[in-house]
Amino acid sequence: GDSVTQMEGPVTLSEEAFLTINCTYTATGYPSLFWYVQYPGEGLQLLLKATKADDKGSNKGFEATYRKETTSFHLEKGSVQVSDSAVYFCALSDQSGNNRLAFGKGNQVVVIP
Amino acid sequence: NAGVTQTPKFRVLKTGQSMTLLCAQDMNHEYMYWYRQDPGMGLRLIHYSVGEGTTAKGEVPDGYNVSRLKKQNFLLGLESAAPSQTSVYFCASSYNARTGNQETQYFGPGTRLLVL
Repeated sequence: GDSVTQMEGPVTLSEEAFLTINCTYTATGYPSLFWYVQYPGEGLQLLLKATKADDKGSNKGFEATYRKETTSFHLEKGSVQVSDSAVYFCALSDQSGNNRLAFGKGNQVVVIP
Repeated sequence: NAGVTQTPKFRVLKTGQSMTLLCAQDMNHEYMYWYRQDPGMGLRLIHYSVGEGTTAKGEVPDGYNVSRLKKQNFLLGLESAAPSQTSVYFCASSYNARTGNQETQYFGPGTRLLVL
């Protein structure tokens, strides 16, 4: 079935550093791809999405490009802030018409002042 | 708009007890979902519904039942709780037929359940 793989382990970095979180997927067809963010004690919020190959999603300084040739949707931000500390989930929507999402395991990002 | 709300926020159960988690949304969404979140496992889909009166199994349905008697509400039931059901439960909804926005899921704040 469709699945999403995120890089292992938490990410700790200093304020203003460059952030990359890798995400690759396995899917039949052409799924839409998403990044969700979960701040401490809260539910998930949509950060950005892309619905077709070569689309770039962007929001709050974060970007991710839908790369069909490498089946990837890596998340990047050029200069992180302490307020970006959260858990980030990559997800894809299945093509069943029921809008089900398959999530990666998530990456904890900790930004140190 | 309150969006997606969940009650209760936190609950402690003893093994074998039953309970119902309530999810409500005020966005007139057609689809609703229940997930569980466990450390290192991401979110896993328990059950979902594509409309009032309909439900379907997700990835990890065993030990849970659901009902969608009203469009705005989606209930998750545990008939006989087990320690393995200790988790954080999230409800989500999507798809407003009038606006056509189908794919984005909106999440509630979660219910933390501890089964002793």
